[in-house]
Amino acid sequence: NAGVTQTPKFQVLKTGQSMTLQCAQDMNHNSMYWYRQDPGMGLRLIYYSASEGTTDKGEVPNGYNVSRLNKREFSLRLESAAPSQTSVYFCASSESASARATEKLFFGSGTQLSVL
Amino acid sequence: GDSVTQMEGPVTLSEEAFLTINCTYTATGYPSLFWYVQYPGEGLQLLLKATKADDKGSNKGFEATYRKETTSFHLEKGSVQVSDSAVYFCALFTGSARQLTFGSGTQLTVLP
Repeated sequence: NAGVTQTPKFQVLKTGQSMTLQCAQDMNHNSMYWYRQDPGMGLRLIYYSASEGTTDKGEVPNGYNVSRLNKREFSLRLESAAPSQTSVYFCASSESASARATEKLFFGSGTQLSVL
Repeated sequence: GDSVTQMEGPVTLSEEAFLTINCTYTATGYPSLFWYVQYPGEGLQLLLKATKADDKGSNKGFEATYRKETTSFHLEKGSVQVSDSAVYFCALFTGSARQLTFGSGTQLTVLP
């Protein structure tokens, strides 16, 4: 009954370092998403993927890249981390075959990232 | 663009108190409205939703009514429990935005 699994749970980076956040879902969902959560700003969409092999930019894509490796996995990469990317990152998935019809999202437990 | 404005927290209540968390929205078109809840250390979970004007969403004793005339979707519960302590997010979805737009969240703490 895993749902959406994110790794790692915590990470500290130095400015300029790179890393990849991993996300996997076992619900056979079509759409997957990456959000960041910042104090007083709610959740903002970074990238989403409506199906395997497709990705689209969300509200705040700059500084990030994503890969939809297969139907289960959707990774988020920071090529050169900056302090402004300090945040909590959430992966989510939905059954919908079109991200445009998204309603119920299932979220992972989050990755707390600090960039020094 | 679409936006959601939530009552600022934190909100602290005693057990069995009445809860209201205000949410208003601005959107083009006819949005669907949602409340998500985030318990400590966990991801967000859908609490309830309403897809058209005058609909009432309800779950776990929580209710919210879609009020188009006041562009509001306030969350209410008649008697809160300690286990309701969490962060509550109001959100909307419109076809034009192609994504969920979240409010900033309201931290609720319920004391025994």
